[in-house]
Amino acid sequence: QVQLVQSGAEVKLPGSSVKVSCTASGGGPFSGHTIAWVRQAPGQGLEWMGRIVPVVGVTDYAQKFQDRVTITADSSTRTAYMEVSGLRSEETAVYYCAKVGPAYTLSDWGQGTTVIVSS
Amino acid sequence: QSVLTQPPSVSATPGQKVTISCSGNSSNIGNNYVSWYQHLPGAVPKLLIYENDKRPSGIPDRFSASKSGTSATLAITGLQTGDEADLYCGTWDSSLRVVLFGGGTKLTVL
Repeated sequence: QVQLVQSGAEVKLPGSSVKVSCTASGGGPFSGHTIAWVRQAPGQGLEWMGRIVPVVGVTDYAQKFQDRVTITADSSTRTAYMEVSGLRSEETAVYYCAKVGPAYTLSDWGQGTTVIVSS
Repeated sequence: QSVLTQPPSVSATPGQKVTISCSGNSSNIGNNYVSWYQHLPGAVPKLLIYENDKRPSGIPDRFSASKSGTSATLAITGLQTGDEADLYCGTWDSSLRVVLFGGGTKLTVL
């Protein structure tokens, strides 16, 4: 089992950027994990944003997030990052990181990071 | 609107059984494993079921699931008030190349 600890809540202005971190402990070499980011807007369901495979540095994104979301990872610190640029008010949400296991099972989740976009 | 369709809500009394459906197509449920997640109020989503019908350690056998064709079903027996949560199905979509989640089903234990 992997423990994932995310950075704290953020309040951002529309048009700005936010970078959320997700640090892993336990569960073997970080580079062997696949880390995904999932968003939940208020009153809405879960939404897959994208994932990274640190061992090969490969990322892929859901189409709606391709232009403004960047997912990176630093294996030396066992940390994955998710950055959203050009924030919009409707992107106020809780952002979760999660470990992707076999069959795309999200077995371990971070505690979530609340991002509020407001002027 | 989600590609995976779940009922918005279900309700039952303590001790009863509920089932929650999740309907997709051949690009997702039809050819990939289904997971189920429990999202309790104020908590983090928790894996309930993986690979269609397997329970992670620590998940009681009151929770079970199945898959047939392009649909999946979660069943919860012996309902408890602590089971009140939003429940989501999830699966890989081979065409969209994303994990899809259903819209979520709010379980109320009256």
